[in-house]
Amino acid sequence: EAGVAQSPRYKIIEKRQSVAFWCNPISGHATLYWYQQILGQGPKLLIQFQNNGVVDDSQLPKDRFSAERLKGVDSTLKIQPAKLEDSAVYLCASSSRDGATYEQYFGPGTRLTVT
Amino acid sequence: GQNIDQPTEMTATEGAIVQINCTYQTSGFNGLFWYQQHAGEAPTFLSYNVLDGLEEKGRFSSFLSRSKGYSYLLLKELQMKDSASYLCAVRNQAGTALIFGKGTTLSVSS
Repeated sequence: EAGVAQSPRYKIIEKRQSVAFWCNPISGHATLYWYQQILGQGPKLLIQFQNNGVVDDSQLPKDRFSAERLKGVDSTLKIQPAKLEDSAVYLCASSSRDGATYEQYFGPGTRLTVT
Repeated sequence: GQNIDQPTEMTATEGAIVQINCTYQTSGFNGLFWYQQHAGEAPTFLSYNVLDGLEEKGRFSSFLSRSKGYSYLLLKELQMKDSASYLCAVRNQAGTALIFGKGTTLSVSS
């Protein structure tokens, strides 16, 4: 079974530029999450999708961050304009409603550096 | 508010046993997860507890006490490859996202 795919793996941009990240979840997983992980901290949820609907985006800085999940499969996360404090690893995860665990499977992440 | 606490760093030697503690205060509870994260890699699932007690899986065990808001991850027969960050995470409600602690960096030396 293929895992969660993300691209790019690394991105360096200057502040005030825009950037987009792409995620392809595990096939059949209805729930998709984007987390932000700043160095030395645990992941923090940015947005959760159930199919193509938003379940929770309470911690998404909506003045600069946006995300979509068209057709309930792939998702993109965009930052425009980027700030220095956006330097972090952006992790995408997906989970299935099968079973009680709802275990989340993480992708390799995109490491963003804003200079 | 939501708060998950775990030690920042721990060290141990090969072959030893180490216990990583986690305390939590969250608005709800629908399970506690432990993830392992090697430097530069994605977190990988280790264990899940939703009822009180001990869950054992090979060299790793996880314990939960819901009344105390407390969990621990026990790693036995430590190996060098166990050097990683261990993340404690709580889910408030079924199907929702995880709330993570800051992680415990474990260093295993020979």
